[in-house]
Amino acid sequence: NAGVTQTPKFQVLKTGQSMTLQCAQDMNHEYMSWYRQDPGMGLRLIHYSVGAGITDQGEVPNGYNVSRSTTEDFPLRLLSAAPSQTSVYFCASSYSQGAKEKLFFGSGTQLSVL
Amino acid sequence: AQSVTQPDIHITVSEGASLELRCNYSYGATPYLFWYVQSPGQGLQLLLKYFSGDTLVQGIKGFEAEFKRSQSSFNLRKPSVHWSDAAEYFCAVGAGYGQNFVFGPGTRLSVLP
Repeated sequence: NAGVTQTPKFQVLKTGQSMTLQCAQDMNHEYMSWYRQDPGMGLRLIHYSVGAGITDQGEVPNGYNVSRSTTEDFPLRLLSAAPSQTSVYFCASSYSQGAKEKLFFGSGTQLSVL
Repeated sequence: AQSVTQPDIHITVSEGASLELRCNYSYGATPYLFWYVQSPGQGLQLLLKYFSGDTLVQGIKGFEAEFKRSQSSFNLRKPSVHWSDAAEYFCAVGAGYGQNFVFGPGTRLSVLP
């Protein structure tokens, strides 16, 4: 199994540009989520989805957009990139949204906004 | 709302020495507790988890953690550290079905030869 696949691994953007971070899982997981990782801040939840067609905001949703048209895919869109969005982004999935469910993580996308 | 603190930002130990990484949580009921490890350039991998029962839980790679309700702590331990254990370690708390995880800020472990 491929697990959780994120693309690209690295990206450099200029302020104001838009882009989409891709995330796909092949485990038929209902729950998918996006985190950003910043030094000293741990992982902060951006958006999450509990199933196809259902999305919700996490702790730091501003400047990001998501959709979930299929169970497998959960892309994260940066509408107008800002330097404050320079971070490492992780996609994670699990069988359901629940405290006993282990999260499966992708390998991350390192994004720099100049 | 639940929260997690990891008081140590960076810890350096010698190979073969013992290790303890601290984690404290804030939550009104008994939380579900996790430790994840992140190797350089990789995603996070689950080391161990605690839901209920025996408060000392064993994980992968020789790690263990102990839940202490009175101290609101879930510290991670390893009796003898290997160079390959150098990584960042995250403690996480889950509040129940339908709730999202909350992660601590992480502790970076360096291992001296």
